[in-house]
Amino acid sequence: DGGITQSPKYLFRKEGQNVTLSCEQNLNHDAMYWYRQDPGQGLRLIYYSQIVNDFQKGDIAEGYSVSREKKESFPLTVTSAQKNPTAFYLCASSIQANEKLFFGSGTQLSVL
Amino acid sequence: QKEVEQNSGPLSVPEGAIASLNCTYSDRGSQSFFWYRQYSGKSPELIMSIYSNGDKEDGRFTAQLNKASQYVSLLIRDSQPSDSATYLCAWGGSFNKFYFGSGTKLNVKP
Repeated sequence: DGGITQSPKYLFRKEGQNVTLSCEQNLNHDAMYWYRQDPGQGLRLIYYSQIVNDFQKGDIAEGYSVSREKKESFPLTVTSAQKNPTAFYLCASSIQANEKLFFGSGTQLSVL
Repeated sequence: QKEVEQNSGPLSVPEGAIASLNCTYSDRGSQSFFWYRQYSGKSPELIMSIYSNGDKEDGRFTAQLNKASQYVSLLIRDSQPSDSATYLCAWGGSFNKFYFGSGTKLNVKP
């Protein structure tokens, strides 16, 4: 089955700790995106990548980092600099930029 | 200036009625527009995509786009309780960013 896999489903972060959220796709899509969703809110763009080894900051990139070493993978690290990390994180991909997005099932990150 | 304006609702309609959801956007360069449905605690799923002015119908759903007015809407005919969810408008914007509205919560009453 083709799709986007996010892991883990739930993640807890201790103060001062960096955590990494995994996102893998086997759709052969070029573009990948990370969004953050707070309760009752829309999706805010953290980072996006159009091709391997290249990525751009979204609207709320501070406190986050990404890498795109492989076409299939776009992991997101939530660093200790992100003081309010509790949110639902969604990874998405599209065949090319500005085309319809397909989403993974999301990761709920909470602070201990 | 916000990139998009979307009524957060909640919008309540009786079962069988037409639900009308609206969205205005600010980026005149946008060429692709989408509607997503999101159930609580789940990821968004694509309902409709529309690229040119006018109407596009798919089953009970009709998307309407007016680029001159920077307006996109979604009509849901014969609304069912299972349609109760949050509906997000989205579009491909400048610099290859992909934006989402804040969502409209729809409640279909049996």
